Amino acid sequence: TQLLEQSPQFLSIQEGENLTVYCNSSSVFSSLQWYRQEPGEGPVLLVTVVTGGEVKKLKRLTFQFGDARKDSSLHITAAQPGDTGLYLCAGALVGGATNKLIFGTGTLLAVQP
Amino acid sequence: NAGVTQTPKFRVLKTGQSMTLLCAQDMNHEYMYWYRQDPGMGLRLIHYSVGEGTTAKGEVPDGYNVSRLKKQNFLLGLESAAPSQTSVYFCASSFGLEAFFGQGTRLTVV
Repeated sequence: TQLLEQSPQFLSIQEGENLTVYCNSSSVFSSLQWYRQEPGEGPVLLVTVVTGGEVKKLKRLTFQFGDARKDSSLHITAAQPGDTGLYLCAGALVGGATNKLIFGTGTLLAVQP
Repeated sequence: NAGVTQTPKFRVLKTGQSMTLLCAQDMNHEYMYWYRQDPGMGLRLIHYSVGEGTTAKGEVPDGYNVSRLKKQNFLLGLESAAPSQTSVYFCASSFGLEAFFGQGTRLTVV
C-alpha cells in the first residue's frame, strides 16, 4: 500500500479537453509537489504547494492543496499534445524528514491531436 | 550543466550477481535519494541520505545497500540480484524541496 494514491491511473483525451488528476492520502503532508515525467527522462518539478487550501496556477495548469493537507489536485484546461506525460505527485510527511519525498502512483496522460 | 548523472544507463544481470549503480551530482546538494520505478507504482524510495556519511532506509530498502562517502556521490548496491529487482532506478538530489533527477538506469535481472 502506497501513501499517495493517484487517480485516474491512465487518461486519454482529445486536444482541447479539460481534465483533473487527483492525489489522495490518509497522511498529512507538510508540502506537496507535482512532477511531470517524459519517456526516458527523470521527473521534472512543476510546482510546490505548502499551505492547506493553497491554489497555484501555471499557465493552463491549476494545482490545489487540500485544506487538511492530505490531498491535492491538478487541473489542466484545454489540454495540448505537449501535455502528454506521466504526472506524479510527491509529498514530504509531517513529522518526517523534511526532504524525504514520497511519490504517488502516477497518472499517465495522453493527449491526442 | 551536468546536474545529476547516473551510470550505467542500462544493465542486464543474472540472478545472484552483484552490481553498483553510481549517482553523481554537481550542485552541492545535501540530500540524495534512490528510487525505483515500476509500472503503476510511481516512484518508491529505496534509501536516502541527508548528508555525507549518512544514509537512511526508505519504503523498499530490502536487498539494497547504499553509501555516501563523498557529498557528490551516492552509490546503490545490489549484493545478490533477484528478478524482482528488475526496474528503472532513479537517483535524485535536493537542497530545498525541489528534487533534481538523473535520467535513470534500466536494470534487468534474468
